[in-house]
Amino acid sequence: GDSVTQMEGPVTLSEEACLTINCTYTATGYPSLFWYVQYPGEGLQLLLKATKADDKGSNKGFEATYRKETTSFHLEKGSVQVSDSAVYFCALKNSGYSTLTFGKGTMLLVSP
Amino acid sequence: DVKVTQSSRYLVKRTGEKVFLECVQDMDHENMFWYRQDPGLGLRLIYFSYDVKMKEKGDIPEGYSVSREKKERFSLILESASTNQTSMYLCASSLWSGAADTQYFGPGTRLTVL
Repeated sequence: GDSVTQMEGPVTLSEEACLTINCTYTATGYPSLFWYVQYPGEGLQLLLKATKADDKGSNKGFEATYRKETTSFHLEKGSVQVSDSAVYFCALKNSGYSTLTFGKGTMLLVSP
Repeated sequence: DVKVTQSSRYLVKRTGEKVFLECVQDMDHENMFWYRQDPGLGLRLIYFSYDVKMKEKGDIPEGYSVSREKKERFSLILESASTNQTSMYLCASSLWSGAADTQYFGPGTRLTVL
């Protein structure tokens, strides 16, 4: 079955540091890939997505590129802020299915 | 903006009680989902529904049931609550089943079963 593996956290960074959160997947067919973010005390919200190989999703300074050859969708940001502290979830969705397959989440803590 | 609301942010119940968690979305979405979120386990799908009165089991349906009598409302029912059902419960909705479909989440209900 489909699965998503992402790096365990917490990831602890100082403000303005570079961020990479690794995500790899196993899936049949041609899934779409997503990053969701959960701020403290809130539900999840979509951060970015990519629907086919080599697509780059971007939002709020975050980027991720759909790499089919390495089955990866790593999340990157050049300069993190304290307000980026949250839990980040990588997910995939195969066409024709309603459901998402989530990774276990990676907590990011950014200190001033 | 899509809005998904959940009836309670925090809930405390006793073992054996019947518990209802309500979720409402205001964007005429076809699909609705219930997840539970636990530390170290991420999100796990309990049930989902792709139409009124339709339901499908997710990965961990045992001990839960659902009801969708109206398109905008999806209820999760714990028939007889147990302490291992203490968790954060998240509801979500989405418009259609295409590959790029986005799920929109509610704020969650933190349920404690004593």
